[in-house]
Amino acid sequence: DVVMTQSPHSLSVTLGQPASISCRSSESLVYSDGTIYLNWFHQRPGLSPRRLIYKVSNRDSGVPDRFSGSGSGTDFTLKISRVGAEDVGVYYCMQGTHWPRTFGQGTKVEIK
Amino acid sequence: QVQLQESGPGLVKPSETLSLTCTVSGDSISSLYWSWFRQPAGKGLEWIGRIYNTGDTNYNPSLKSRVTMSIDTSKNQFSLNLYSVTAADTAVYYCARDPRGDHGSDYWGQGTLVTVSS
Repeated sequence: DVVMTQSPHSLSVTLGQPASISCRSSESLVYSDGTIYLNWFHQRPGLSPRRLIYKVSNRDSGVPDRFSGSGSGTDFTLKISRVGAEDVGVYYCMQGTHWPRTFGQGTKVEIK
Repeated sequence: QVQLQESGPGLVKPSETLSLTCTVSGDSISSLYWSWFRQPAGKGLEWIGRIYNTGDTNYNPSLKSRVTMSIDTSKNQFSLNLYSVTAADTAVYYCARDPRGDHGSDYWGQGTLVTVSS
Protein backbone atom coordinates (compact mmCIF):
# COMPACT_ATOMS: atom_id res chain seq x y z
CA ASP A 1 0.00 0.00 0.00
CA VAL A 2 1.10 3.59 -0.60
CA VAL A 3 2.07 5.19 2.70
CA MET A 4 1.03 8.79 3.18
CA THR A 5 3.02 10.71 5.77
CA GLN A 6 1.82 14.05 7.06
CA SER A 7 3.73 16.65 9.01
CA PRO A 8 3.47 18.16 11.46
CA HIS A 9 1.28 15.91 13.63
CA SER A 10 -0.22 19.01 15.23
CA LEU A 11 -0.19 22.72 14.65
CA SER A 12 -1.08 25.64 16.92
CA VAL A 13 -1.85 28.77 14.94
CA THR A 14 -2.75 32.34 15.83
CA LEU A 15 -6.03 33.54 14.32
CA GLY A 16 -5.42 35.31 11.03
CA GLN A 17 -2.00 33.74 10.55
CA PRO A 18 -1.08 31.24 7.81
CA ALA A 19 -0.69 27.50 8.24
CA SER A 20 0.89 24.83 6.10
CA ILE A 21 0.58 21.04 6.19
CA SER A 22 2.85 18.67 4.31
CA CYS A 23 1.92 15.28 2.87
CA ARG A 24 4.42 12.86 1.33
CA SER A 25 3.64 9.64 -0.47
CA SER A 26 5.86 6.55 -0.57
CA GLU A 27 5.33 6.31 -4.35
CA SER A 28 4.65 8.74 -7.14
CA LEU A 29 0.97 9.68 -7.34
CA VAL A 30 1.02 10.30 -11.09
CA TYR A 31 -1.72 8.14 -12.60
CA SER A 32 -1.52 6.49 -16.00
CA ASP A 33 -3.51 9.40 -17.48
CA GLY A 34 -0.93 11.89 -16.17
CA THR A 35 -3.22 13.21 -13.42
CA ILE A 36 -2.26 13.29 -9.75
CA TYR A 37 -5.16 12.17 -7.57
CA LEU A 38 -4.35 13.77 -4.25
CA ASN A 39 -7.20 14.93 -1.98
CA TRP A 40 -7.33 16.97 1.22
CA PHE A 41 -10.05 16.64 3.85
CA HIS A 42 -10.97 18.58 6.99
CA GLN A 43 -12.73 16.91 9.89
CA ARG A 44 -14.17 18.87 12.77
CA PRO A 45 -14.72 17.04 16.07
CA GLY A 46 -17.75 14.81 15.92
CA LEU A 47 -18.41 15.47 12.24
CA SER A 48 -17.78 13.63 9.02
CA PRO A 49 -14.84 14.61 6.82
CA ARG A 50 -15.33 17.42 4.34
CA ARG A 51 -13.28 17.40 1.18
CA LEU A 52 -11.46 20.65 0.51
CA ILE A 53 -9.16 19.87 -2.41
CA TYR A 54 -9.05 17.27 -5.19
CA LYS A 55 -6.46 16.56 -7.86
CA VAL A 56 -3.79 18.42 -5.87
CA SER A 57 -5.09 21.96 -6.25
CA ASN A 58 -8.80 22.05 -7.18
CA ARG A 59 -11.08 23.45 -4.49
CA ASP A 60 -14.43 21.77 -3.93
CA SER A 61 -17.57 23.84 -4.24
CA GLY A 62 -18.02 26.23 -1.33
CA VAL A 63 -14.45 25.93 -0.05
CA PRO A 64 -13.00 29.36 0.79
CA ASP A 65 -10.14 30.53 -1.38
CA ARG A 66 -7.90 30.85 1.68
CA PHE A 67 -7.36 27.09 1.21
CA SER A 68 -4.90 26.11 -1.49
CA GLY A 69 -3.19 22.90 -2.50
CA SER A 70 0.02 22.36 -4.38
CA GLY A 71 2.63 19.75 -5.10
CA SER A 72 3.82 17.13 -7.53
CA GLY A 73 5.12 13.59 -7.64
CA THR A 74 5.36 12.62 -3.99
CA ASP A 75 5.32 15.93 -2.11
CA PHE A 76 2.18 17.93 -1.46
CA THR A 77 1.14 20.90 0.65
CA LEU A 78 -2.10 22.33 1.96
CA LYS A 79 -1.96 25.99 2.87
CA ILE A 80 -4.41 28.12 4.78
CA SER A 81 -3.63 31.76 4.12
CA ARG A 82 -5.42 33.11 7.18
CA VAL A 83 -6.60 30.65 9.80
CA GLY A 84 -10.09 31.19 11.20
CA ALA A 85 -11.74 29.70 14.27
CA GLU A 86 -13.77 27.38 12.03
CA ASP A 87 -10.59 25.83 10.64
CA VAL A 88 -9.79 23.85 13.80
CA GLY A 89 -9.89 20.10 13.52
CA VAL A 90 -7.91 17.39 11.79
CA TYR A 91 -6.70 17.57 8.21
CA TYR A 92 -6.07 14.44 6.15
CA CYS A 93 -4.51 13.88 2.78
CA MET A 94 -5.69 10.90 0.74
CA GLN A 95 -4.28 9.44 -2.44
CA GLY A 96 -6.64 8.14 -5.11
CA THR A 97 -4.04 7.06 -7.64
CA HIS A 98 -3.23 3.59 -6.34
CA TRP A 99 -5.33 0.80 -4.85
CA PRO A 100 -6.19 0.77 -2.05
CA ARG A 101 -6.82 4.41 -1.37
CA THR A 102 -4.82 5.47 1.65
CA PHE A 103 -4.82 8.39 4.06
CA GLY A 104 -2.20 10.27 5.97
CA GLN A 105 -2.37 9.94 9.74
CA GLY A 106 -3.84 13.42 10.10
CA THR A 107 -2.67 16.84 11.30
CA LYS A 108 -4.52 18.44 14.18
CA VAL A 109 -4.92 22.21 13.92
CA GLU A 110 -5.79 24.27 16.96
CA ILE A 111 -5.94 27.96 17.71
CA LYS A 112 -3.17 29.38 19.85
CA GLN B 1 -28.43 18.97 -2.45
CA VAL B 2 -26.79 15.55 -2.32
CA GLN B 3 -27.30 13.75 0.96
CA LEU B 4 -26.20 10.34 2.18
CA GLN B 5 -27.49 8.56 5.28
CA GLU B 6 -26.07 5.43 6.82
CA SER B 7 -28.36 3.04 8.68
CA GLY B 8 -27.98 -0.27 10.44
CA PRO B 9 -27.45 -1.89 13.84
CA GLY B 10 -25.24 -0.02 16.26
CA LEU B 11 -24.23 -3.21 18.06
CA VAL B 12 -22.97 -6.42 16.49
CA LYS B 13 -21.74 -9.54 18.28
CA PRO B 14 -18.26 -10.91 17.62
CA SER B 15 -18.09 -13.40 14.72
CA GLU B 16 -21.37 -12.08 13.28
CA THR B 17 -21.98 -9.86 10.24
CA LEU B 18 -22.01 -6.08 10.20
CA SER B 19 -24.58 -4.83 7.69
CA LEU B 20 -25.07 -1.20 6.78
CA THR B 21 -27.10 0.60 4.14
CA CYS B 22 -26.50 4.02 2.66
CA THR B 23 -29.51 5.88 1.27
CA VAL B 24 -28.75 8.56 -1.30
CA SER B 25 -30.93 11.56 -2.02
CA GLY B 26 -30.41 14.43 -4.42
CA ASP B 27 -28.54 12.29 -6.95
CA SER B 28 -29.04 9.08 -8.88
CA ILE B 29 -27.04 6.17 -7.60
CA SER B 30 -26.88 4.89 -11.15
CA SER B 31 -24.43 7.46 -12.33
CA LEU B 32 -21.43 7.35 -10.04
CA TYR B 33 -19.20 5.30 -7.79
CA TRP B 34 -19.97 4.96 -4.10
CA SER B 35 -17.53 4.26 -1.28
CA TRP B 36 -17.39 3.08 2.33
CA PHE B 37 -14.89 4.29 4.92
CA ARG B 38 -14.42 3.71 8.61
CA GLN B 39 -12.75 5.44 11.53
CA PRO B 40 -12.07 3.87 14.93
CA ALA B 41 -12.51 6.26 17.83
CA GLY B 42 -9.65 8.73 18.05
CA LYS B 43 -7.93 7.26 14.99
CA GLY B 44 -7.57 7.99 11.30
CA LEU B 45 -9.63 7.12 8.26
CA GLU B 46 -9.58 3.83 6.38
CA TRP B 47 -11.04 3.21 2.92
CA ILE B 48 -13.05 -0.03 2.83
CA GLY B 49 -14.08 -0.19 -0.81
CA ARG B 50 -16.33 1.17 -3.54
CA ILE B 51 -19.09 0.00 -5.87
CA TYR B 52 -20.39 1.11 -9.25
CA ASN B 53 -23.97 0.83 -10.47
CA THR B 54 -23.02 -2.22 -12.54
CA GLY B 55 -22.06 -3.99 -9.34
CA ASP B 56 -18.34 -3.71 -10.08
CA THR B 57 -16.37 -3.36 -6.87
CA ASN B 58 -12.94 -2.51 -5.54
CA TYR B 59 -12.09 -3.60 -2.00
CA ASN B 60 -9.26 -2.84 0.36
CA PRO B 61 -7.09 -5.99 0.34
CA SER B 62 -6.85 -5.79 4.13
CA LEU B 63 -10.61 -6.50 4.33
CA LYS B 64 -11.29 -8.13 0.99
CA SER B 65 -11.85 -11.63 2.36
CA ARG B 66 -14.59 -10.35 4.71
CA VAL B 67 -16.33 -7.63 2.67
CA THR B 68 -19.09 -7.53 0.12
CA MET B 69 -20.90 -4.50 -1.26
CA SER B 70 -24.12 -4.35 -3.21
CA ILE B 71 -26.26 -1.73 -4.86
CA ASP B 72 -30.04 -1.34 -5.26
CA THR B 73 -30.76 1.20 -7.94
CA SER B 74 -34.53 0.93 -7.41
CA LYS B 75 -34.12 2.21 -3.86
CA ASN B 76 -31.15 4.51 -4.55
CA GLN B 77 -29.20 2.61 -1.88
CA PHE B 78 -25.96 0.72 -1.56
CA SER B 79 -24.88 -1.62 1.18
CA LEU B 80 -21.90 -2.98 3.07
CA ASN B 81 -21.52 -6.41 4.65
CA LEU B 82 -18.51 -7.14 6.83
CA TYR B 83 -18.30 -10.74 7.98
CA SER B 84 -16.80 -12.38 11.05
CA VAL B 85 -16.36 -9.14 12.92
CA THR B 86 -14.15 -8.62 15.95
CA ALA B 87 -13.68 -5.76 18.40
CA ALA B 88 -11.15 -4.31 15.95
CA ASP B 89 -14.03 -3.56 13.58
CA THR B 90 -15.61 -1.16 16.08
CA ALA B 91 -15.66 2.21 14.33
CA VAL B 92 -17.73 4.98 12.82
CA TYR B 93 -18.66 3.88 9.31
CA TYR B 94 -19.17 6.45 6.56
CA CYS B 95 -20.61 6.18 3.09
CA ALA B 96 -19.60 8.65 0.40
CA ARG B 97 -20.04 9.65 -3.24
CA ASP B 98 -17.17 9.35 -5.70
CA PRO B 99 -17.53 11.73 -8.64
CA ARG B 100 -16.60 10.29 -12.02
CA GLY B 101 -12.97 10.80 -12.93
CA ASP B 102 -12.23 12.28 -9.54
CA HIS B 103 -10.64 9.40 -7.59
CA GLY B 104 -11.92 10.95 -4.39
CA SER B 105 -15.12 11.36 -2.38
CA ASP B 106 -16.97 14.66 -2.29
CA TYR B 107 -20.20 14.05 -0.33
CA TRP B 108 -20.17 12.03 2.88
CA GLY B 109 -22.84 10.70 5.20
CA GLN B 110 -22.85 11.74 8.84
CA GLY B 111 -21.47 8.37 9.88
CA THR B 112 -22.81 5.64 12.10
CA LEU B 113 -21.07 4.08 15.08
CA VAL B 114 -20.94 0.30 15.06
CA THR B 115 -19.72 -1.40 18.20
CA VAL B 116 -18.68 -5.03 18.17
CA SER B 117 -19.31 -6.54 21.58
CA SER B 118 -21.03 -9.48 23.16
